[in-house]
Amino acid sequence: DAGITQSPRHKVTETGTPVTLRCHQTENHRYMYWYRQDPGHGLRLIHYSYGVKDTDKGEVSDGYSVSRSKTEDFLLTLESATSSQTSVYFCAISELGLRTEAFFGQGTRLTVV
Amino acid sequence: QKEVEQNSGPLSVPEGAIASLNCTYSDRGSQSFFWYRQYSGKSPELIMSIYSNGDKEDGRFTAQLNKASQYVSLLIRDSQPSDSATYLCAVAWRGTASKLTFGTGTRLQVTL
Repeated sequence: DAGITQSPRHKVTETGTPVTLRCHQTENHRYMYWYRQDPGHGLRLIHYSYGVKDTDKGEVSDGYSVSRSKTEDFLLTLESATSSQTSVYFCAISELGLRTEAFFGQGTRLTVV
Repeated sequence: QKEVEQNSGPLSVPEGAIASLNCTYSDRGSQSFFWYRQYSGKSPELIMSIYSNGDKEDGRFTAQLNKASQYVSLLIRDSQPSDSATYLCAVAWRGTASKLTFGTGTRLQVTL
């Protein structure tokens, strides 16, 4: 299994509170991604990183921010959580290049009440 | 039109039969294609990648790519109950930092 660890694995939080999810990799891969998965929508890209301090938005980035200060860590922050952000969040990693596969972490189930 | 489309299913096949899963995608130049398997409550697991037209076989799995018709398929031979899962088709387009765009997945049920 690819060395990807997400934390926490489960979290319940209240509307309006900040939340940070962490993705840690031991593979030294350049690219890291945050996806959310919801019924009927599949996996959708939130933000991604192509190197330390290099990040960009995905298709559903509103309400989320990210940071990558080290190759191995990619943080996803919900500045003020809303019920619409209740979802399962997956981190993925890949090496440089179009032909390289992406590997996923175990996921974080976030519930905003 | 969605960029990557799959029939949501469920697709039900008897044990031992061939399961055929299909995916269509929008044409945006050079692409790479991937099939992931996802069991309920688990993370997606890569099972096949294909980059050029034709067939690619790996054990009981065969991926087929037809760029002219813009579809990619996954065949599972000798289907087993353990193959029951959701299968996700994913595409990475050149110039997109290897970002994957996923279909919504097809749920496969292998019956005894």
